[in-house]
Amino acid sequence: KQEVTQIPAALSVPEGENLVLNCSFTDSAIYNLQWFRQDPGKGLTSLLLIQSSQREQTSGRLNASLDKSSGRSTLYIAASQPGDSATYLCAVNTGGFKTIFGAGTRLFVKA
Amino acid sequence: GAGVSQSPSNKVTEKGKDVELRCDPISGHTALYWYRQSLGQGLEFLIYFQGNSAPDKSGLPSDRFSAERTGGSVSTLTIQRTQQEDSAVYLCASSLARSYHEQFFGPGTRLTVL
Repeated sequence: KQEVTQIPAALSVPEGENLVLNCSFTDSAIYNLQWFRQDPGKGLTSLLLIQSSQREQTSGRLNASLDKSSGRSTLYIAASQPGDSATYLCAVNTGGFKTIFGAGTRLFVKA
Repeated sequence: GAGVSQSPSNKVTEKGKDVELRCDPISGHTALYWYRQSLGQGLEFLIYFQGNSAPDKSGLPSDRFSAERTGGSVSTLTIQRTQQEDSAVYLCASSLARSYHEQFFGPGTRLTVL
């Protein structure tokens, strides 16, 4: 059974700091991994999608890496800003329709 | 273009009443998902529609929950005889085809059962 774990559960950093959010999964047989952002009371916003054949994806200040063999993905946020404060979720697709989500990392960036 | 839309954004109902939640996916997206997010919990998969195929209902928590998708587009999630434990945010997502494509989420419907 696929399980997805995100560490840390919460993180508070000063503005401008570079930071790394971690996601691990127990079954390396995945189709893709997707990182989302969720603001309080809102839906999920897709940030990056990494297919199983890819090692990383970049969008602006965000970089996500994927190491299937070790069951890990990291989301790197460069030069963090207060507007980055949100909950970040990773989700793995193991084929078919099932997408398994982690519990998320709550990020707070202090001005 | 327009994203995934959901209505209502908030719904307060009394225990025992039936509720209907609506999802309008991105045009051209054949895959549609319903998830539930309870307070402090992760996302729980409920049901998946792919094109005109029979939906996979394996995630529905009880037979009080049902969903349909008309014409391969709009979907309605129905909860009958609501219970307080049904209180949650119900999120809908759509993707282009199979689930290895990127999922795009709607803003959710916050359901409160009194």
